[in-house]
This record gives sequence, structure tokens and C-alpha cells, in this order.
Amino acid sequence: EVQLVESGGGLVQPGRSLRLSCAASGFTFDDYAMHWVRQAPGKGLEWVSGISWNSGTINYADSVKGRFTISRDNAKNSLSLQMNSLRAEDTALYYCAKEGVDSSGFYRSLDHWGQGTLVTVSS
Amino acid sequence: DIQMTQSPSSLSASVGDRVTITCRASQSISSYLNWYQQKPGKAPNLLIYAASSLKRGVPSRFSGSGSGTDFTLTISSLQPEDFGTYYCQQSYRTTVTFGQGTRLEIK
Repeated sequence: EVQLVESGGGLVQPGRSLRLSCAASGFTFDDYAMHWVRQAPGKGLEWVSGISWNSGTINYADSVKGRFTISRDNAKNSLSLQMNSLRAEDTALYYCAKEGVDSSGFYRSLDHWGQGTLVTVSS
Repeated sequence: DIQMTQSPSSLSASVGDRVTITCRASQSISSYLNWYQQKPGKAPNLLIYAASSLKRGVPSRFSGSGSGTDFTLTISSLQPEDFGTYYCQQSYRTTVTFGQGTRLEIK
């Protein structure tokens, strides 16, 4: 069974940093791309960042580019998100999600999600 | 970025109703479109990928259609457990984007 468990959230002051982690199990971690998706309280889903299986391709949403850094450690089956220069608008529940690919190899989706870790940016 | 627009933003329907949610992309995305269901306090759950392929284990009353810029999620006969918020998401670009969501309430 695929399991994704996020950790590292908490209350942080504006301008400070926080590092989120996602522990993966139940699948061959280094076969799959991984993503971070966030959801502000009462709002919709916002994709944050994605990383390919070998870290060769990394993408960010414009809203976090230059402030957040995604990384992975395939030896430890873990995904991370380093968040710097945090702003009030970064307050959200942060989900770790596994990317799935269909049998054709063309169509990608987020086929498994963790339960999220809450980040609150406030003074 | 590719913008995804869902309609309606919310709807209320009765058990047994046929429900349709629409998603429009700001440019053609072929069939690179996924649908998710999210219940309150829970993580999103993938329902449909590649516009029309049902994820294993998802009830067959859910179906998806469309290609290019216009897509539809249909629930053929609404069940009480189908309440929640539905999101479309494009995977045409590596910078993923979601629709704003459609909140479905059971009357």
C-alpha cells in the first residue's frame, strides 16, 4: 500500500524558513516523479513544485519560484521542500503527491496523496 | 501558464440525478486532463486520468469526456457519498494547474 506521510509544518514568522518532509513507502520511490500541492484554508488546490525521478527536471509555480526548493533522497525514500522567505500567503496545508503514469507512458496524474502538513505564517 | 476554469462553482443535486461538471482549458491540452474528488478534511482522490480513463476502484457511475479545451465529468446517478469538491487538473505542461473547484452538495 502506498503511503505518503508529511511532516515539518508549524507556525513560523514572516520572512523565516521551514523545511517540509515526505516519507514514502509501499512503492519503488525512485521510479516516480513527486510533487507538492498546497491548499490555503477554505481555498482550492494550488500546485507548488514537482521533481522527476532522478531530480533531473524540477519545476515551480511562479508564486514560490526563487523562495522554495524541492529535493529528494531516493536512498531514503524521502521528498523535501525547503521554504525560505515565507509570507502570510504561503499559509496552507501542504500535500505530498506521487505522480502516476498510464500504460502508454504519456498521461500523468497525481495518483496518491498524503494527508498534508499545515504551515501557518504569522507574526 | 495554462488556466483551467470549472463551471459551475457549486451545485446542489438529488440522489439519482445525473450531474455534469465542466472544465475549460485556456489552450488545447489534448487529453492531458485529470479529475479529483476531495471530501472535507481529506486529501484529494484521483477519479479519472487522461480525460476519460477511470482509475481502478472508482465507481463506474463516474465518467469523463472531452479533448482539446473542453472537458466534462459526469456522475450518471448521484449517490449520497458523492458530496465534496471536484477539481480538474491539466498535465499537458510540467507546471501543473488545477481548476478552482466545483462544490457538490446533496439535496
